[in-house]
Amino acid sequence: EIVLTQSPGTLSLSPGERATLSCRASQSVSAYSLAWYQQKPGQAPRLLIYAASGRATGIPDRFSGSGSGTDFTLTISRLEPEDYAVYYCQQYGSSPLTFGPGTKVDIK
Amino acid sequence: QVQLVQSGAEVKKPGSSVKVSCEASGGTFSRHAISWVRQAPGQGLEWMGGIIPSLGSIKYAQNFQDRVSIIADESTSTAYMELSSLRSEDTAVYYCARGGAPLIYYFMDVWGNGTTVTVSS
Repeated sequence: EIVLTQSPGTLSLSPGERATLSCRASQSVSAYSLAWYQQKPGQAPRLLIYAASGRATGIPDRFSGSGSGTDFTLTISRLEPEDYAVYYCQQYGSSPLTFGPGTKVDIK
Repeated sequence: QVQLVQSGAEVKKPGSSVKVSCEASGGTFSRHAISWVRQAPGQGLEWMGGIIPSLGSIKYAQNFQDRVSIIADESTSTAYMELSSLRSEDTAVYYCARGGAPLIYYFMDVWGNGTTVTVSS
């Protein structure tokens, strides 16, 4: 099973600042099979990024993903008020599918 | 646009079972995986397993394989997840989610509204 580790656990930033979230895998994730989700309180997760860097339908271009192998990054170029949430990475290159523990982005 | 609508909240006794449904509308059902993901209060996301109806493929995460059953009814575009031998630690929101491409367990591009299951004596 591929274990995903996310850092930091909490990121405190002001609106307009850049957010950089990390996701590290315990072994190489095949074929860039890494996704990112955003979850707000009381809501289901929302797909942001798939295949490490592909933006899902309707996702603003301030969200970008990068990385390969065991190290992946989600970047939010300029935080908007609606971006404060918890972000999860997920690998789907091998079974079982696994999620990271999440990074909370909150207002500084 | 595909939508996944789940059944309502449940309160169950320890040792009993719960069955949650997930009805798909507005798109193809049988060719895409439907995964079940749970989230305990204040915790992260945990994949329980999934089904690709047209392939008859079912996968379970090891943590759940002795207690969970996932089935699909293609005639009604509905997937079901049944969890047995419930304990208090199974109190969580259970989500169904559709795989983002046909015929493969993948990222999840459409999520259900979630079903809260509370296990309490």
